[in-house]
Amino acid sequence: DIQMTQSPSSLPASLGERVTISCRASQGISNNLNWYQQKPDGTIKPLIYYTSNLQSGVPSRFSGSGSGTDYSLTISSLEPEDFAMYYCQQDASFPYTFGAGTKLELK
Amino acid sequence: EVQLVESGGGLVQPGRSMKLSCAASGFTFNNYDMAWVCQAPKKGLEWVATISYDGSSTYYRDSVKGRFTISRDNAKSTLYLQMDSLRSEDTATYYCARWGYAWDYWGQGVMVTVSS
Repeated sequence: DIQMTQSPSSLPASLGERVTISCRASQGISNNLNWYQQKPDGTIKPLIYYTSNLQSGVPSRFSGSGSGTDYSLTISSLEPEDFAMYYCQQDASFPYTFGAGTKLELK
Repeated sequence: EVQLVESGGGLVQPGRSMKLSCAASGFTFNNYDMAWVCQAPKKGLEWVATISYDGSSTYYRDSVKGRFTISRDNAKSTLYLQMDSLRSEDTATYYCARWGYAWDYWGQGVMVTVSS
């Protein structure tokens, strides 16, 4: 199974700040990396697919990058609604696996 | 508008069975692979099972193989998860999700609690 290591697990940040969340795969996943946001009520929103492609309706302040085993999600200027949990997920091979999550918190 | 609405959760005793349903609307259901993803209390997301658009292929995580069965009824635009021999560690919120560009639509989730 491909293990996904996400960091940091917790990220205190301020409104307007630029933040980056990292995700490392235990083996190369050829850009098959997706990002999701989960709100405290459990609602899950897809953000990015195939490393850097924004899902429909996702604001342009979100961006993704990476290759090989190392990937990242960047939010260029934090808005109030961005404080949530973020998960990376690989779909290079079954079983599809998620990172453990990053909690983006208001500093 | 795409909608995925799960149902069928609740409290069940260890060793018993439960069947979850996910009613889909707002898109051509039989064009998409579908999946179940779960989240144990205070834990992260975990893929459970995937079924191809026509039901011909299914995939499971190891911990549920032989106990869970994913299926679909394309005429009813409904996805199912039959869960047998339930264990306490199956306690989680179960989400159905559509595989478009990654999992691009998710339901609101349904809670399953396995406890005596």
